[in-house]
Amino acid sequence: DAGVIQSPRHEVTEMGQEVTLRCKPISGHNSLFWYRQTMMRGLELLIYFNNNVPIDDSGMPEDRFSAKMPNASFSTLKIQPSEPRDSAVYFCASSLARTSGDSYNEQFFGPGTRLTVL
Amino acid sequence: AQTVTQSQPEMSVQEAETVTLSCTYDTSESDYYLFWYKQPPSRQMILVIRQEAYKQQNATENRFSVNFQKAAKSFSLKISDSQLGDAAMYFCAYRPTGANSKLTFGKGITLSVRP
Repeated sequence: DAGVIQSPRHEVTEMGQEVTLRCKPISGHNSLFWYRQTMMRGLELLIYFNNNVPIDDSGMPEDRFSAKMPNASFSTLKIQPSEPRDSAVYFCASSLARTSGDSYNEQFFGPGTRLTVL
Repeated sequence: AQTVTQSQPEMSVQEAETVTLSCTYDTSESDYYLFWYKQPPSRQMILVIRQEAYKQQNATENRFSVNFQKAAKSFSLKISDSQLGDAAMYFCAYRPTGANSKLTFGKGITLSVRP
């Protein structure tokens, strides 16, 4: 089991550039979450998908942020144009959401992408 | 809206001693889940322990245990026999029941372990 895979692990870009973060969830999981971690705001949920459909995107900060999940094994988080205040660690997590039985629905996190916008 | 509060930004413990990390939360739900996550310098988020609100018995995982006080909406983590590898940030998190429920995290606490 490879776990949740995120790429790149580190990204340094200049203000105004487009940034694309990628995530491959654990095989068989049907829910995927994007989080942002900063010193000031801690861990914030940006958006999450269930069966490739966005369920809640209320955490997406503004229109510069967009997320897609074209299939069950891949998701992207795009920032266009990027700004220095977007500098953070971005985590992807996945879980198997069950509607009955054990519904802990534990989320497994990827290693994160550290984004620096100059 | 649910909120999770970790009021202590930092704590320190002597190796082999016991330390308790505090967490309070606010919710109008009667059934939910609570979690403690560990984030070492590698940044990896690791689930340490979880608690179902409808269970009165406090969860225990080896050296980690919780003190769950539902009426007080308090969920503290106790680490016994602290080890150097326990040094990390610890996050308390809340999730209501339901397949599509999201986690709400506290701001975290940085735990250092003195040799």
